[in-house]
Amino acid sequence: EVQLVQSGGVVVQPGGSLRLSCTASGFVFDDYTMHWVRQVPGKGLEWLALIDWEGRSADYADSLEGRFTVSRDNTKHSLYLQMKSLTIEDTALYFCAREDDHLRHFDYWGQGTLVTVSS
Amino acid sequence: EIVMTQSPATLSVSPGERATLSCRASQSIDTNLAWYQQKPGQAPRLLIYAASARATGLPARFSASGSGTEFTLTISSLQSEDSAVYYCLQYDDWPPWTFGHGTKVEI
Repeated sequence: EVQLVQSGGVVVQPGGSLRLSCTASGFVFDDYTMHWVRQVPGKGLEWLALIDWEGRSADYADSLEGRFTVSRDNTKHSLYLQMKSLTIEDTALYFCAREDDHLRHFDYWGQGTLVTVSS
Repeated sequence: EIVMTQSPATLSVSPGERATLSCRASQSIDTNLAWYQQKPGQAPRLLIYAASARATGLPARFSASGSGTEFTLTISSLQSEDSAVYYCLQYDDWPPWTFGHGTKVEI
């Protein structure tokens, strides 16, 4: 069974940094491109970033303005999102998602990590 | 960036009725479109990919069609567990991948 299990929710102060994690099981992790998507409470879905199967290539939403970095450790079957210079507008539920190996939609999602940016 | 527009924003239907959800792309995306269902407190669940291909295990009451810029998700004979928000996603021109703002189906 494919599973993506994310780290627990966290509260961080404005201007702070945070690293989210997503651990995969049930499939060959290093065969797949992985993504991060977020959802402001009560709002829609926003794509944030992707990283290719070997971790050599990444791409980001322009809105992040270079504040987030995606990485992966295939030996640990884990995906990460390093977030810095956080603002209140970054308060959201963050999901990791697996990209389908043929087409480019997202076929499996993690359960989400709630990040609250608050003083 | 391709803009995805979903309509209606909210759809109120009775059990057993049919629901038709629409998604429009700001430019042609061929059939590179997926549909997701999201219930409160849960991650999105893949329903449809390639505009009309049903995900594994999806009940037959869910169907979808479309190509180019106009797409439709149909839920025939709605059941109470179909109450959710439904999103479309384009994966034709990326980055970024872009979602519609969702249609809330109330039963």
